[in-house]
Amino acid sequence: QKEVEQDPGPLSVPEGAIVSLNCTYSNSAFQYFMWYRQYSRKGPELLMYTYSSGNKEDGRFTAQVDKSSKYISLFIRDSQPSDSATYLCAMRPNAGNNRKLIWGLGTSLAVNP
Amino acid sequence: GAVVSQHPSWVICKSGTSVKIECRSLDFQATTMFWYRQFPKQSLMLMATSNEGSKATYEQGVEKDKFLINHASLTLSTLTVTSAHPEDSSFYICSASVFIAGKNTEAFFGQGTRLTVV
Repeated sequence: QKEVEQDPGPLSVPEGAIVSLNCTYSNSAFQYFMWYRQYSRKGPELLMYTYSSGNKEDGRFTAQVDKSSKYISLFIRDSQPSDSATYLCAMRPNAGNNRKLIWGLGTSLAVNP
Repeated sequence: GAVVSQHPSWVICKSGTSVKIECRSLDFQATTMFWYRQFPKQSLMLMATSNEGSKATYEQGVEKDKFLINHASLTLSTLTVTSAHPEDSSFYICSASVFIAGKNTEAFFGQGTRLTVV
């Protein structure tokens, strides 16, 4: 079993839809959870960063962490064609010198006009 | 926001030659930089962690003599692929660690370098 599981999709939605992206994980020591967006042939861009459990909102993006279920989500409201990209989750433990991120496979999203 | 600049964005080289990729933090000091490799439709694979002024820490299975990493200053890390072969063709990405909410985290990535070895 991989430490982080993420459905690679592809996911195709119409413009304006609410998109739900998810990752599950097995390591209960994970404390930092991140979502990145990666356009084709570009480096990832940090979208959301959450410590421990709870929700975090930034514009059209909402990140949720449910540590009891070992499940994290990213919601995109009013999705736009420009949101079409691959979304990667990443996480790591709260160990002082351990900054190694564990990555999901990425979910490919297409928002159709 | 902070910017990490990676150069070149793409390179084609002949088998057996060496290629150097640069990663610069343009407006902040990055004490730690990370080098990744990404194959098509795959996630990022960490190759090594680069700390300024010290030797890089390589992940298991990554040949340190083949992938030379130098982090001579707080704003520059380089990855040299020595004696490149076609199987080294991949997308190489660097990232820099910065403080967010009092903790180090990888917030900023370079644009990536597409290496093709022919």
